[in-house]
Amino acid sequence: DVKVTQSSRYLVKRTGEKVFLECVQDMDHENMFWYRQDPGLGLRLIYFSYDVKMKEKGDIPEGYSVSREKKERFSLILESASTNQTSMYLCASCYSTGAVEAFFGQGTRLTVV
Amino acid sequence: KNEVEQSPQNLTAQEGEFITINCSYSVGISALHWLQQHPGGGIVSLFMLSSGKKKHGRLIATINIQEKHSSLHITASHPRDSAVYICAVMYNNNDMRFGAGTRLTVKP
Repeated sequence: DVKVTQSSRYLVKRTGEKVFLECVQDMDHENMFWYRQDPGLGLRLIYFSYDVKMKEKGDIPEGYSVSREKKERFSLILESASTNQTSMYLCASCYSTGAVEAFFGQGTRLTVV
Repeated sequence: KNEVEQSPQNLTAQEGEFITINCSYSVGISALHWLQQHPGGGIVSLFMLSSGKKKHGRLIATINIQEKHSSLHITASHPRDSAVYICAVMYNNNDMRFGAGTRLTVKP
């Protein structure tokens, strides 16, 4: 089975902390995505990556950065966490060619206090 | 800007009813997913479609590429079907976007 694993299910961080959310997939997928999910707003794309060291901004990249040093790992970084970044964060991955099925992590619920 | 519109936003049904959830998108796509999210946040992919129709148990998904529209149907609905159903589209540039979701509640 394809697995997309997010490093934490629940996180509580303080305002101003640097936060790392990790996502690892084991199927050699080229594409990886980070989304946040908020009530009434649905899932919004923060960043996606289509290859190692490649990244594209999504709809809401402000306050976030990403790192893709290895194909299997896509990290989301909150440089200085703020309370408005309290959210559910979801990682997804898929192959890059053809009609492909996407796979999702279990989500990380981040609370910034 | 690419948009994915989903309807209805909320849906309450009685057990046994036939349910339809709709998804429309604005530009060409390479694939469309129907996803299910239960309380607790975990997302499961129900279907991936690029054309036609797929069936899995009581779930049926259809897509009309020309009309840029997809539907998810649930036959003989059951309270355990209660969840948020999300439409996600994969664009040709590898971007993937989501509808806002439909919260389904099936009452016994």
